[in-house]
Amino acid sequence: ELKVEQNPLFLSMQEGKNYTIYCNYSTTSDRLYWYRQDPGKSLESLFVLLSNGAVKQEGRLMASLDTKARLSTLHITAAVHDLSATYFCAVDKGYSGAGSYQLTFGKGTKLSVIP
Amino acid sequence: NAGVTQTPKFQVLKTGQSMTLQCAQDMNHNSMYWYRQDPGMGLRLIYYSASEGTTDKGEVPNGYNVSRLNKREFSLRLESAAPSQTSVYFCASSEAPGTGRGGYTFGSGTRLTVV
Repeated sequence: ELKVEQNPLFLSMQEGKNYTIYCNYSTTSDRLYWYRQDPGKSLESLFVLLSNGAVKQEGRLMASLDTKARLSTLHITAAVHDLSATYFCAVDKGYSGAGSYQLTFGKGTKLSVIP
Repeated sequence: NAGVTQTPKFQVLKTGQSMTLQCAQDMNHNSMYWYRQDPGMGLRLIYYSASEGTTDKGEVPNGYNVSRLNKREFSLRLESAAPSQTSVYFCASSEAPGTGRGGYTFGSGTRLTVV
């Protein structure tokens, strides 16, 4: 059974600071996704990481994937209040024989950026 | 470009009542999914449909049924609602495995309360 663990689950940080959210998963996979969710809203796709060593950056967010360590990180640089949201990582279960990939989610990291 | 459309957005049911949540996508995706989101639990897969004509159970299928009506539409039915089914339900779709970037697109969600 694929397990996905995120930490921390809650993060309060001041504007201008840097921090990293970690996502560990239990079985081999080379597809990992990061999503952002604002309160009462749907999930917004941030990054799709499809291979070992993949690194993607968008604004103040940078995501990386180490498939050997089964670890992905979401790094926040010089945080601003607008980044306050819940961030989820999700791992693709891979080909299941039924012809469909399935996502397993971490529990999410609730980020609060304090002015 | 509507993406994934869910109806209704909000619903209150009495215990024992039945209802169907509707989902439609216009991206020509082959695979569709139903997730539920509960506080502190991330998203958990209820059922999925790898392609038109097929459906399979996910992590938490008990109390639910699904129908893949055609390539565009995937519905979720609660036959006899229970308070434990109070949750936010998300429909998602994705390309066939092995093609494209494997990304998933989520609907806006249905907030269901069972009293």
